[in-house]
Amino acid sequence: DTAVSQTPKYLVTQMGNDKSIKCEQNLGHDTMYWYKQDSKKFLKIMFSYNNKELIINETVPNRFSPKSPDKAHLNLHINSLELGDSAVYFCASSQISGVGQPQHFGDGTRLSIL
Amino acid sequence: KNEVEQSPQNLTAQEGEFITINCSYSVGISALHWLQQHPGGGIVSLFMLSSGKKKHGRLIATINIQEKHSSLHITASHPRDSAVYICAVYLGGGADGLTFGKGTHLIIQP
Repeated sequence: DTAVSQTPKYLVTQMGNDKSIKCEQNLGHDTMYWYKQDSKKFLKIMFSYNNKELIINETVPNRFSPKSPDKAHLNLHINSLELGDSAVYFCASSQISGVGQPQHFGDGTRLSIL
Repeated sequence: KNEVEQSPQNLTAQEGEFITINCSYSVGISALHWLQQHPGGGIVSLFMLSSGKKKHGRLIATINIQEKHSSLHITASHPRDSAVYICAVYLGGGADGLTFGKGTHLIIQP
């Protein structure tokens, strides 16, 4: 069973479109994250979310919004896609938020904007 | 300046060699993660450590909290160890997730 699964694995779309990436974890974890890996392979936190709190990295444009229908899911919605949004997006989860918890990563979603 | 610095950025070695990858960070932390990203793109957590040393198979990770430094060692390296190794720390505040180094691209030649 895949612990953290993301869909789709690849997403190719036009500039200006709205798209979503889904993430599900079956680990019973309380906290989920979205990370962005740019063309230089550098990873950066976008959001973290647990039952109580969404924490947003201040550098993330408000075109990006996470939505959590339940504890096991944290989907990423992106409005008005721009060329600079092309990247690999990783979902992850941990038992609770914070320092002492290992994180489990999904396989990533490669988003390409034409 | 990135808060997490890794060295070297690229490393090519022969099969069987002992490999060391270094990570330094600029602020106090309580724990550090070592991650592995294979060419296929998936990310796997190798270690999370807050003091001392951890060992898993041929991989060893050490951390010195006072010196703000960690090392990842691979003994008897093998071509299947070829991957990007990423150091990450939890800094607190911000978006409550990990802050990453830029990674070390390791190639082990047969």
